[in-house]
Amino acid sequence: GDSVTQMEGPVTLSEEAFLTINCTYTATGYPSLFWYVQYPGEGLQLLLKATKADDKGSNKGFEATYRKETTSFHLEKGSVQVSDSAVYFCALINNAGNNRKLIWGLGTSLAVNP
Amino acid sequence: DTGVSQDPRHKITKRGQNVTFRCDPISEHNRLYWYRQTLGQGPEFLTYFQNEAQLEKSRLLSDRFSAERPKGSFSTLEIQRTEQGDSAMYLCASSLALTNQETQYFGPGTRLLVL
Repeated sequence: GDSVTQMEGPVTLSEEAFLTINCTYTATGYPSLFWYVQYPGEGLQLLLKATKADDKGSNKGFEATYRKETTSFHLEKGSVQVSDSAVYFCALINNAGNNRKLIWGLGTSLAVNP
Repeated sequence: DTGVSQDPRHKITKRGQNVTFRCDPISEHNRLYWYRQTLGQGPEFLTYFQNEAQLEKSRLLSDRFSAERPKGSFSTLEIQRTEQGDSAMYLCASSLALTNQETQYFGPGTRLLVL
């Protein structure tokens, strides 16, 4: 079945460091890919998405590129801030048929120190 | 603020009791989803509605769980005869199905603790 694998946390970085959170997926067909973020005490928020191969999603300085050849959707940010401390989830929807459910990774906790 | 609201935000109950959660989606959204999230895990899909029709149910949704969306607007999720294993965060999301590439927007969740 479809699945998402993301790097285990926690990840701890200093402010202004470069961030990469790896995400790979397994899916039949052509899934849409998402990164959601969950700040402490808050609900899940969409961070960015990509719906086809080679698309790049970007938001708030974060970027991820849909790589079909490596089945990956790694999240990157050039300079993290303390306010980026949160849990990041990679997810997919397999667009085949009427399937509309999001399939999620386990989440990666990020802590950014000043 | 995504516009999806859930009530209550927290619920503590004793094993064997019934509980009901409510979700109000973003007003023009025609699809509504329920997920469950336990500590340290990603959310797991439970069920989803398009308008008032329940189109898919996960095998996780045992016969003690029932969800409704009677008028295609708000939805309720009921758990009967709660068990300690039901303790989790219950998440609701909604989307507007214009194409098959719509985005799901999440509410804050209802945290359930079964004693």
